[in-house]
Amino acid sequence: ILMTQSPATLSVSPGERATLSCRASQSVSSNLAWYQQKPGQAPRLLIYGASTRATGIPARFSGSGSGTEFTLTISSLQSEDFAVYYCHQYNNWPHTFGQGTKLEIK
Amino acid sequence: QVQLQQSGPGLVKPSQTLSLTCAISGDSVSTDSAAWNWIRQSPSRGLEWLGRTYYRSKWFNAYADSVKSRITINPDTSKNQFSLQLMSVTPEDTAVYYCARWLHEEGYFDCWGQGTLVTVSS
Repeated sequence: ILMTQSPATLSVSPGERATLSCRASQSVSSNLAWYQQKPGQAPRLLIYGASTRATGIPARFSGSGSGTEFTLTISSLQSEDFAVYYCHQYNNWPHTFGQGTKLEIK
Repeated sequence: QVQLQQSGPGLVKPSQTLSLTCAISGDSVSTDSAAWNWIRQSPSRGLEWLGRTYYRSKWFNAYADSVKSRITINPDTSKNQFSLQLMSVTPEDTAVYYCARWLHEEGYFDCWGQGTLVTVSS
């Protein structure tokens, strides 16, 4: 299953909202996770089941969607949120990841 | 709290075998509620799942088609760890390699190792 993220890069000012998109080449139901990755670090789980926040993830992160279209929204960007974000489908093996959206400071 | 600690060389010569180990704390490699995976990341291929090992009354392995002929993932119950061997490497195998736990019921990778940059070069 091919996962396509858009945009590749998103420039947003601190305090503003960021909306990241992920599209699957076929339905993955709600078996979709989002990860955050900072330079030199492993990916960190943010969202699973398309919309459930992982333990310890702030409420400003929210996920939505099902089937083939998914969205990650960060409601009010903090400095620590600028990173690369990946979607991951786990509906079918082999699991696949999107190519990432880099969220940068405007 | 589950932690995964990776070890292994960061430089491998072309045609040789890449070998990495992932030590598990806070869980058991023999658990029947998880699988133990290797994932790599490179600029050209992005995040790529390579394979997994898991125990469900006996040991199972599953591998990505892209590396199926060259990869082995083995559990080591005596040391509570698992390993990756990737044979006949080329510069295309240069990447950051991660081990990760996959939860059977939930389906996602919830815990990752710190990553190991492996460069294939003579």
